[in-house]
Amino acid sequence: DAMVIQNPRYQVTQFGKPVTLSCSQTLNHNVMYWYQQKSSQAPKLLFHYYDKDFNNEADTPDNFQSRRPNTSFCFLDIRSPGLGDAAMYLCATSRAEEGETQYFGPGTRLLVL
Amino acid sequence: AQKVTQAQTEISVVEKEDVTLDCVYETRDTTYYLFWYKQPPSGELVFLIRRNSFDEQNEISGRYSWNFQKSTSSFNFTITASQVVDSAVYFCALSEATGTYKYIFGTGTRLKVLA
Repeated sequence: DAMVIQNPRYQVTQFGKPVTLSCSQTLNHNVMYWYQQKSSQAPKLLFHYYDKDFNNEADTPDNFQSRRPNTSFCFLDIRSPGLGDAAMYLCATSRAEEGETQYFGPGTRLLVL
Repeated sequence: AQKVTQAQTEISVVEKEDVTLDCVYETRDTTYYLFWYKQPPSGELVFLIRRNSFDEQNEISGRYSWNFQKSTSSFNFTITASQVVDSAVYFCALSEATGTYKYIFGTGTRLKVLA
């Protein structure tokens, strides 16, 4: 089945220790998104890629970076995680058409100690 | 300004009751798209429905139905004969025809279905 896969599902890191979350997709979608979701809140878009074009949200901290080496994979790098970065990180994909549906992966829950 | 309001923060119902989740949106665009997602405790956002602004037909899918009314800028979601497995957070989202592909999410409604 075509899908969006995120690894790992749970990640524990230490304060200030870089961490990388990964996302892959078999849907062959042009657009990939990274969201941060904190408890009892809606997902918040961090950035998205349209093919290799990177689009950062204005309020995304510099601490968050992303890489998309090919169509299938996208990575979220948190350079120096703080306690406030503990959250669920959701990856999503869509076709590059107006109003297209975004399909989400299962998420990675990040804990910062 | 674009906005999605889900005024119900949390709803509790007893199994087999019907329940309606409200979604009110604001947009200046004439072309836009509305979505509903379910987020069970596992965390994944599961797509339920997509509706474009030119299609006001109501939709039914099993126990789920959606009522889209442009006159009141609402896109409400009804679950008939609710089940415990329906317990989740439900998000309504708006996407405009801006070419950015972004969603504007509502704050979500937590539905608890009690056995």
